[in-house]
Amino acid sequence: EVQLVESGGGLVQPGRSLRLSCTASGFTFGDYAMSWVRQAPGKGLEWVGFIRSKAYGGTTEYAASVKGRFTISRDDSKSIAYLQMNSLKTEDTAVYYCTRGGPYCSGGSCYPLYYFDYWGQGTLVTVSS
Amino acid sequence: QSALTQPASVSGSPGQSITISCTGTSSDVGVYNFVSWYQQHPGKAPKLMIYDVSNRPSGVSIRFSGSKSGNTASLTISGLQAEDEADYYCSSYTSSSTWVFGGGTKLTVL
Repeated sequence: EVQLVESGGGLVQPGRSLRLSCTASGFTFGDYAMSWVRQAPGKGLEWVGFIRSKAYGGTTEYAASVKGRFTISRDDSKSIAYLQMNSLKTEDTAVYYCTRGGPYCSGGSCYPLYYFDYWGQGTLVTVSS
Repeated sequence: QSALTQPASVSGSPGQSITISCTGTSSDVGVYNFVSWYQQHPGKAPKLMIYDVSNRPSGVSIRFSGSKSGNTASLTISGLQAEDEADYYCSSYTSSSTWVFGGGTKLTVL
């Protein structure tokens, strides 16, 4: 059974940093791209960014609203994806979801997977003084 | 990248069919067949309902179907049931190698 569990959320002051973790199980983590999606209180979903698998270059893409402040990384040996958030703003307050989404690679071939098929339960980040 | 455009709300009676539209541009919905739909009940994580415009994941009811024409995708729910009442979001992969979501549609089952 695929499981994604986020951790690391909490209350943080504007301008400070926070790192979220997403621990995965139930699938070959290193084969898949991982994405982060957030949802501000009472608002809709917003894609934050994703990291490709190592076989696909391990590169990252970000939404314009977080580019230059947020960094996604991965540790395939631990099946963990990270979201490092710097220079936090009050508008970054949201529930942050870890999702499996983006092309996956296995056996030397890569396949399109341009949707988010599994989601974690989310972790709340509150940016306030 | 601007959000995809969805109606804020739709409603229907049990047993009826409803359709939710999702309008994008030639840089997202119109360029790829990578539109997906998500259902979200209050306080819960979103759930994938449709991927690649019209494909249903295993376990999703056949009452859910998707389609696309030009820059507009649609989600149709037939035989409405009380448990379908939720928020629905569309999403599309874009030509900039990013994703964009719609603003969400609240479905009320009357």
